[in-house]
Amino acid sequence: ETGVTQTPRHLVMGMTNKKSLKCEQHLGHNAMYWYKQSAKKPLELMFVYSLEERVENNSVPSRFSPECPNSSHLFLHLHTLQPEDSALYLCASSQRGVTRGYTFGSGTRLTVV
Amino acid sequence: EDQVTQSPEALRLQEGESSSLNCSYTVSGLRGLFWYRQDPGKGPEFLFTLYSAGEEKEKERLKATLTKKESFLHITAPKPEDSATYLCAVQGGYGGSQGNLIFGKGTKLSVKP
Repeated sequence: ETGVTQTPRHLVMGMTNKKSLKCEQHLGHNAMYWYKQSAKKPLELMFVYSLEERVENNSVPSRFSPECPNSSHLFLHLHTLQPEDSALYLCASSQRGVTRGYTFGSGTRLTVV
Repeated sequence: EDQVTQSPEALRLQEGESSSLNCSYTVSGLRGLFWYRQDPGKGPEFLFTLYSAGEEKEKERLKATLTKKESFLHITAPKPEDSATYLCAVQGGYGGSQGNLIFGKGTKLSVKP
């Protein structure tokens, strides 16, 4: 399998649930990213893992918690989310230090009820 | 602050009616400008990277150009299968957006037969 794979494709969760999104890349890249895509807004960078170092957007609420156990896997742990967190969550990977586009997964469509 | 503005927000064309999408940007030390295509419910798909003013890239009916302040995506004789949202992103130096991709809101293109 090649490229960037995200699971699940769709997720519906209540505000008190805990769930996790998974991302796996088979491209040999050394950086992985979580983006949030909401209607009428630009893609919003949430977290970056580069060479095992985490860089985060300070505006991301603590109810989102990333985990990167190795350079090929990335998780986004979700807990006590709000309805406004409903969005398409995209994972991407790249080779840090090389000016090339990111490779994106197909995303997880999250609905918080 | 690095910023990307795309126009128009939405564009409706008849099949065969050529047009252009605009991407204006402000970035500290442009390392690359990227165009992506995104179909509904899917992740962005990489189209082009432009590195310096005056550069042009072509792929089928699409041609991307770059100046010091903006980029254009020209669509010649579009077909219904070109319908998608087109995203523009810039990668600046590590002093600005820390080398991460900054996206515009996108232009939603609809091509009617």
